[in-house]
Amino acid sequence: AQKITQTQPGMFVQEKEAVTLDCTYDTSDPSYGLFWYKQPSSGEMIFLIYQGSYDQQNATEGRYSLNFQKARKSANLVISASQLGDSAMYFCAMRAAGRRALTFGSGTRLQVQP
Amino acid sequence: DGGITQSPKYLFRKEGQNVTLSCEQNLNHDAMYWYRQDPGQGLRLIYYSQIVNDFQKGDIAEGYSVSREKKESFPLTVTSAQKNPTAFYLCASRTSGASEQFFGPGTRLTVL
Repeated sequence: AQKITQTQPGMFVQEKEAVTLDCTYDTSDPSYGLFWYKQPSSGEMIFLIYQGSYDQQNATEGRYSLNFQKARKSANLVISASQLGDSAMYFCAMRAAGRRALTFGSGTRLQVQP
Repeated sequence: DGGITQSPKYLFRKEGQNVTLSCEQNLNHDAMYWYRQDPGQGLRLIYYSQIVNDFQKGDIAEGYSVSREKKESFPLTVTSAQKNPTAFYLCASRTSGASEQFFGPGTRLTVL
């Protein structure tokens, strides 16, 4: 079975600072993918970044980077230079190779303060 | 514009009624998914479909049904057997060979 754990229900960060959102995962499948999605108050899920289990380098997409530590089974999201528009729920998710859909964590609510 | 549309945005249902949530995509994606989100929680998989005329149950399929008669459409019916249907429902799709799923704007269902 797959499991995603996000231990931070809420986080605060000052505008222009960096913030790290934690995610740990559990799977017995050697091949899997890790994802981060942003959910603003409107409800839509916005794809941010993807990391494959065999990728050698950490994924980056603009201000988003994924700190992938395979031995520790962690996939933390780092947002650099936070903006007010980054205030939202953030979900970590995983898809193992043998499973067609995503398994989600419970999310972290990020609030960016001016 | 390419994307995923869900309708209606808000839906109110009386107890004992079946309701159908629409999900349409014009991205030519093969796979489509339905997730349910309860307040303060992550998404849970209801049903998914990899190809037309084929679909599989997810983790919480009881009380729900789906069909996949066309590639672009994957409607979800919430039946009267679903004991607690009030939730936010999200549809997603993915193209073969790609990793990420893309989501629609969601339907918020409330049972009165």
